[in-house]
Amino acid sequence: KNEVEQSPQNLTAQEGEFITINCSYSVGISALHWLQQHPGGGIVSLFMLSSGKKKHGRLIATINIQEKHSSLHITASHPRDSAVYICAVRPSSGAGSYQLTFGKGTKLSVIP
Amino acid sequence: DTGVSQDPRHKITKRGQNVTFRCDPISEHNRLYWYRQTLGQGPEFLTYFQNEAQLEKSRLLSDRFSAERPKGSFSTLEIQRTEQGDSAMYLCASSVGKGAGQFFGPGTRLTVL
Repeated sequence: KNEVEQSPQNLTAQEGEFITINCSYSVGISALHWLQQHPGGGIVSLFMLSSGKKKHGRLIATINIQEKHSSLHITASHPRDSAVYICAVRPSSGAGSYQLTFGKGTKLSVIP
Repeated sequence: DTGVSQDPRHKITKRGQNVTFRCDPISEHNRLYWYRQTLGQGPEFLTYFQNEAQLEKSRLLSDRFSAERPKGSFSTLEIQRTEQGDSAMYLCASSVGKGAGQFFGPGTRLTVL
């Protein structure tokens, strides 16, 4: 079982819809990242959070440390939001606490 | 340009050939990471440098793979005797410290024929 699970794997939405992508993890973490990857491979870091909630423009990320769960929300979705969204965690201790463990990503397609 | 850069962006090679990729991190970042991403999967950790020291290598990194960061600045990743299974996107990231976010480069897409 992957340490980081994302759902859904694929998501198609109409422009303007509110979108939620979920991430669950099984290890103790010091930080969780939400990343955006466009076709062609480049990865952009959207958020890094260890508690609570962060907001940037139309994007909101929340994390519940006790439940080992995070969500990424996109309000008023737009076709340019179409990308793969990846959740990644950094373990809180032990070997590998400096490296990220990634989910498989959620492919979002926003249709005009 | 203040971001992480990687060169080349694309590489097509024949099985058995050696390839070398380069990553230039953000200048003040002392930590550098290499990841590999195959189609439909999330990235997987390969190796990590703090300054010029390679502190960890994943079991994914076979003997055919070697990475260096000789002066604590740019890094190279070499794959010897490439195999078709090496075809992937190779991503480099850097950070200024353990608690800081990682900034990713555009990746090098390797295709082994």
